[in-house]
Amino acid sequence: DQQVKQNSPSLSVQEGRISILNCDYTNSMFDYFLWYKKYPAEGPTFLISISSIKDKNEDGRFTVFLNKSAKHLSLHIVPSQPGDSAVYFCAALRTGGGNKLTFGTGTQLKVEL
Amino acid sequence: EAQVTQNPRYLITVTGKKLTVTCSQNMNHEYMSWYRQDPGLGLRQIYYSMNVEVTDKGDVPEGYKVSRKEKRNFPLILESPSPNQTSLYFCASSSLGTGVFEQYFGPGTRLTVT
Repeated sequence: DQQVKQNSPSLSVQEGRISILNCDYTNSMFDYFLWYKKYPAEGPTFLISISSIKDKNEDGRFTVFLNKSAKHLSLHIVPSQPGDSAVYFCAALRTGGGNKLTFGTGTQLKVEL
Repeated sequence: EAQVTQNPRYLITVTGKKLTVTCSQNMNHEYMSWYRQDPGLGLRQIYYSMNVEVTDKGDVPEGYKVSRKEKRNFPLILESPSPNQTSLYFCASSSLGTGVFEQYFGPGTRLTVT
């Protein structure tokens, strides 16, 4: 039972344009969401997070939007840069349930020149 | 430098030969966890630990053991590895009770069981 889903395995975007990565979840108990970026041969690195009490969080070129009613979140990268090419994982947790992260399957982003 | 280290980074072994993958963190984190990453499945939690001597199963614990005798170390033990445990393994750590939920990941261990 995949509680966190990333339905697009890959995404290709031109440099300078916006990248939008999507994530859906089914467990309404999740109240905190994170995005991780992963380069080949490295571990995932934390990118940005959002609490369920917010609908938007911004950090430089990265913005995460949360739509609780739709159980949907998205990561916007503007402008996209070649160094953003990586696999992006969405993760969710229930803050009252310890620190257990439930991950999506990942989206491979390729930013082309 | 704050980090999570794993050893070895690459390992090829044969079915049934016991192995241990070590994990260590220098951030004094209470929470540590092991994940495996497989194509099309994302990262799945194997075991986790909330503190010394406190461990519990994650989503895919079968065939694995862990121990947490010291706060900084959280080794993953495969008593009798099988080919279906061929995977990319990540150790992670985070603080507890601080309202900070980000987990820090090690560089990964690629295990092949033949």
